[in-house]
Amino acid sequence: DAKTTQPNSMESNEEEPVHLPCNHSTISGTDYIHWYRQLPSQGPEYVIHGLTSNVNNRMASLAIAEDRKSSTLILHRATLRDAAVYYCILRPSGGSNYKLTFGKGTLLTVNP
Amino acid sequence: GAVVSQHPSWVICKSGTSVKIECRSLDFQATTMFWYRQFPKQSLMLMATSNEGSKATYEQGVEKDKFLINHASLTLSTLTVTSAHPEDSSFYICSASTGDYSNQPQHFGDGTRLSIL
Repeated sequence: DAKTTQPNSMESNEEEPVHLPCNHSTISGTDYIHWYRQLPSQGPEYVIHGLTSNVNNRMASLAIAEDRKSSTLILHRATLRDAAVYYCILRPSGGSNYKLTFGKGTLLTVNP
Repeated sequence: GAVVSQHPSWVICKSGTSVKIECRSLDFQATTMFWYRQFPKQSLMLMATSNEGSKATYEQGVEKDKFLINHASLTLSTLTVTSAHPEDSSFYICSASTGDYSNQPQHFGDGTRLSIL
């Protein structure tokens, strides 16, 4: 499976934007880029996913580099509730390879 | 929509007993469910993939006779930890997906914290 690289931790202030980077230099043309987050003592929560174009939803925006070797999850205004571990995961399309393989993710701390 | 319910959320039991954890998709049908385990300060590790009406597929290193998985319906999968020991204490999480898996999110339960005394 193609791997992703994320910073171990990041810090932000409340109500400021947060840009969480993810490198995936070995991504294949059919890999979707998925983001999940896990709040303390909870199961992961889906955030957003994309293939080539930038994506927006009510939770966040996903900016995908033109060569697709990196992406950035953007939280437009961080709140204390956004403090979590954020996982960037590649999911191949087609076939039966639909497992999610979690890396260590990025621990986001939001300061009041 | 797309809610996954996991029960119980927390269980403590004596060493040697068996514990069953339920995972239900409340508002959608899930032909495939996944079971993960997470130790403190670590990431999620996939244990097995559960397919409705067929045997589960276990990841390498996961004992299938110890972690029994049953997916008898499109909305329910169960994980039974047999003869549990303290080293089985962990946070167990299930997830479910629908349709084209690569382009669909997985929906996760809130996890079950298992403590074996």
